[in-house]
Order: sequence, then C-alpha cells, then structure tokens
Amino acid sequence: GQSLEQPSEVTAVEGAIVQINCTYQTSGFYGLSWYQQHDGGAPTFLSYNALDGLEETGRFSSFLSRSDSYGYLLLQELQMKDSASYFCAVDSGGYQKVTFGTGTKLQVIP
Amino acid sequence: DVKVTQSSRYLVKRTGEKVFLECVQDMDHENMFWYRQDPGLGLRLIYFSYDVKMKEKGDIPEGYSVSREKKERFSLILESASTNQTSMYLCASSPRPLAGGPDTQYFGPGTRLTVL
Repeated sequence: GQSLEQPSEVTAVEGAIVQINCTYQTSGFYGLSWYQQHDGGAPTFLSYNALDGLEETGRFSSFLSRSDSYGYLLLQELQMKDSASYFCAVDSGGYQKVTFGTGTKLQVIP
Repeated sequence: DVKVTQSSRYLVKRTGEKVFLECVQDMDHENMFWYRQDPGLGLRLIYFSYDVKMKEKGDIPEGYSVSREKKERFSLILESASTNQTSMYLCASSPRPLAGGPDTQYFGPGTRLTVL
C-alpha cells in the first residue's frame, strides 16, 4: 500500500525558517508535490519534485531524495499568512493516482 | 484561472437518504477526483475519473458511487447516507500532465456534509 508520514503540527516564529518533512512508502513513484490549505479553504498546489534536489519558488523551496524516499518543504522569512496546513502528496502514476499525507499544521507566532 | 465549483458548501441529510454532490470544472481537464477530508486522516481518495464515462476506485470507495456523463462534471453519490459519511468532501480536477511534469490538482471549495 501507500503511506506518507509528516509531522502533525509545527510552530515557528515570524521571520524564521521552518522545514516540514515527508517520508513515503509507495509502490510506484513519479513525483512529490506539496499543497497548502488554509482553514476553511481549498488545498492549493505549491511545488513539485520529480528528480532529486532542491526546487525554489520564492520563499518556498522543496527538496527530494528518491533514494531515501524523503522530501521536505522549506519556508523562509515566515509570515503570519503562512499559518496553514501543508500536505505532501506522491504521484505513483497510473492515470495520475495521487496519495496525500495527513498534513502538517503550521502555526506562525509573532 | 481554473475554477472548480461544488454545488453546496454545507449540506445536512438524514441517515438513509440518497445524496448527490456535484462538481464542475471549467478548464477542460481530463481528470477529476473526489476526496473526503477528516481531521488527522488527511485527504483520502474516494473515486477518480480520467475520461468521460470512465471511473476508477480510490482508497475508500465503499458506500459511494460516481458518475461522469460530461467532461466538465463529476458527481459523487451516496446511495444511502450513514453517519460515518459525515465529512468534508473535496472535488479536484487536473489536466493530463506533460512527461515528467507535475500532476497539479485544482480543488473546489469543499462541501461539508453532515448526516444525522
């Protein structure tokens, strides 16, 4: 089966850097995505890694190590509006069947 | 902008009722998905469809069925609602990705269903 593990909650200070980890065990692997969801809102796509290494998009970066079945989302210069839940998701192929992790609730404090 | 709309934000039904949740996307996406979201369990895939009249079971299809008669519309049906189906239901759509590209899913606002 498919399983993804990420911390349930993380707290960080405004202006700081926070890393949200994701480890996965899946029967197939095409890529790892990250989504953000604010309370009461819909998940929105943040980033995607198909190959090992770091992908940077503004204040957000995402890293993947396929050999370790591990990835992380790095948020820099944290802002209060970054308080949200963050989900990693594995695309295991086969007509785009995507499995989501259980989500990490990030609280940014002043 | 991609727009995914769901027929209701909040819905209250009684045990045993037949429930229809509708989802419409306006970007001509091939793929559509239904998830339910529960605290501590994340998003769990119920059904997905990669083409009109095609459907595939996800991880938790029991108690649900789906219909996709038109490309833009994907319906989730609870044949006989039960209290354990009280949840947030999220619909999503995605285009067929380019080789090596992300499968970016675009989500609707969700329907919070309560079954009494």
